[in-house]
Amino acid sequence: DTGVSQNPRHKITKRGQNVTFRCDPISEHNRLYWYRQTLGQGPEFLTYFQNEAQLEKSRLLSDRFSAERPKGSFSTLEIQRTEQGDSAMYLCASRSDGSYEQYFGPGTRLTVT
Amino acid sequence: GDSVTQMEGPVTLSEEAFLTINCTYTATGYPSLFWYVQYPGEGLQLLLKATKADDKGSNKGFEATYRKETTSFHLEKGSVQVSDSAVYFCALSDNGNNRLAFGKGNQVVVIP
Repeated sequence: DTGVSQNPRHKITKRGQNVTFRCDPISEHNRLYWYRQTLGQGPEFLTYFQNEAQLEKSRLLSDRFSAERPKGSFSTLEIQRTEQGDSAMYLCASRSDGSYEQYFGPGTRLTVT
Repeated sequence: GDSVTQMEGPVTLSEEAFLTINCTYTATGYPSLFWYVQYPGEGLQLLLKATKADDKGSNKGFEATYRKETTSFHLEKGSVQVSDSAVYFCALSDNGNNRLAFGKGNQVVVIP
């Protein structure tokens, strides 16, 4: 069990560019979550997968955001046409059926200049 | 929607002091309640949880009791150590998809 991993850990991009983040959950965890955390705030829910199905999306997830989880393993979060307001820490978490505990990854810090 | 409110501001206290961090929640159903901790340079970790009213969660000397009548889940520790310096987040989940709703967090600084 190597924990939840996220790549890259840091990303600096210019406004208007597209970025993609990857999350590898703990193996055998079929539920995967994405959150966003801005400075001085708690994480905010973005979206949720059970296996490969995206079951819930927050209103925070505008049309510029898309998330996938092909084959129910790793997940990607893409932001198109980035804006400065997208600058944040993007967190991924996973859990198994029957467990309340979500295990969080270290996050990807996005800076949009 | 579901939400969590934590007391404002950082908390600074001396080693061996008593720590309380207040947390209240608003929820339409019967949520599960959590405290997560983020140590410097590390990711979020679950500290303790309570899944129904009057449950007490405990771990590493920390405790919190699920109070349905006051919609609260205050975190307490009787004698803090420098190693407890971290950011503490109160959170709830809806027992459906179990997405978490977090409070803003409290920075705790313990001075030797």
